[in-house]
Amino acid sequence: NAGVTQTPKFQVLKTGQSMTLQCAQDMNHEYMSWYRQDPGMGLRLIHYSVGAGITDQGEVPNGYNVSRSTTEDFPLRLLSAAPSQTSVYFCASSYGKDRSYEQYFGPGTRLTVT
Amino acid sequence: KQEVTQIPAALSVPEGENLVLNCSFTDSAIYNLQWFRQDPGKGLTSLLLIQSSQREQTSGRLNASLDKSSGRSTLYIAASQPGDSATYLCAVRPNDYKLSFGAGTTVTVRA
Repeated sequence: NAGVTQTPKFQVLKTGQSMTLQCAQDMNHEYMSWYRQDPGMGLRLIHYSVGAGITDQGEVPNGYNVSRSTTEDFPLRLLSAAPSQTSVYFCASSYGKDRSYEQYFGPGTRLTVT
Repeated sequence: KQEVTQIPAALSVPEGENLVLNCSFTDSAIYNLQWFRQDPGKGLTSLLLIQSSQREQTSGRLNASLDKSSGRSTLYIAASQPGDSATYLCAVRPNDYKLSFGAGTTVTVRA
């Protein structure tokens, strides 16, 4: 199993540009989520999904969109990039209620917005 | 809102010493608690997961305890090695899906 994969590893955007961060998992996990990690702020939940077709907002959802059309994929879209979105983004997945809920994380995408 | 605190923020020990990392949380209504390791520039690696009904979990040199009523978890790493140098994060899952993370403890093991 590849686990949780994320692309790209690094990205530089100009203010106002849009882009999609890709996340995929091959463990048949129901739950997937996106976090951002900033110095001094820890990891904060952006959006999450409890299954295909179901998404919900986390702690810091503004400026981001998600959709979940398949179990495997959970892309994160930045609509109009702002310097405040400079961060490291992590995707995570886990099984649902009948399993242990252990979270597995991807390697991250380091995003810089100039 | 669940608040998760990790103290100390940084720790430096000589090789061979035992490590004790603390995690406290404000709301005891949790489903489980997970300890992660993060190396610089890398993702998070799961170390141990403790369900709310458990008191401890062990894996090799690692042992994590959970006292839900007092809102505390402790990660013990026995006989530390330079390869244990990393940031250790704890995360608490309440009864919904939203994990709350501590800010982490950065550990340096000196050879």
